Amino acid sequence: DAKTTQPNSMESNEEEPVHLPCNHSTISGTDYIHWYRQLPSQGPEYVIHGLTSNVNNRMASLAIAEDRKSSTLILHRATLRDAAVYYCILRGYNTDKLIFGTGTRLQVFP
Amino acid sequence: DAGVTQSPTHLIKTRGQQVTLRCSPISGHKSVSWYQQVLGQGPQFIFQYYEKEERGRGNFPDRFSARQFPNYSSELNVNALLLGDSALYLCASSRLGLAAANEQFFGPGTRLTVL
Repeated sequence: DAKTTQPNSMESNEEEPVHLPCNHSTISGTDYIHWYRQLPSQGPEYVIHGLTSNVNNRMASLAIAEDRKSSTLILHRATLRDAAVYYCILRGYNTDKLIFGTGTRLQVFP
Repeated sequence: DAGVTQSPTHLIKTRGQQVTLRCSPISGHKSVSWYQQVLGQGPQFIFQYYEKEERGRGNFPDRFSARQFPNYSSELNVNALLLGDSALYLCASSRLGLAAANEQFFGPGTRLTVL
């Protein structure tokens, strides 16, 4: 299973942009890059995913390096409700299996 | 629409006992996956079922088993409980089940404590 590397923790102030990095040097050509987050006392929640091109949705943006060996989740304006553990996951084709790492704990200060 | 539901919310068992956890997927979702999350760690994949067939199994002992019913709900069974089985057990469902671009929806989990 391909692995990802993320910083253990990051901090941000409210209403500032946040860039959460992820390294995945062993990614294969068919692996999708998924991001999930887990708020305290809740199950994980889907954030965004991509394959090669940058992606935007209502929650966040995903910037994928040209060689696909790294990616960055961008929260454009952090809110207190964005405080959570963010997981970067490589998901193989034809499977629902998600391999979670330890994730990045994001703290947001008012 | 209701999200993924799991029951019970909390459960306390003693070592050696058996436990059954239940999961109801989102209506129309045919794939159900189970994860174990020990405190301070990310979730670990246990099983995936799609259309009532096992499609994936994680690195867990045979004490862990699961099944999926015709209505796509699922049960996770754990026999001969150990203290180390204490964890949050998460269920996730998805519509397609076998596509890497498929979003998964997680339930709130069942908190199992083994004494």
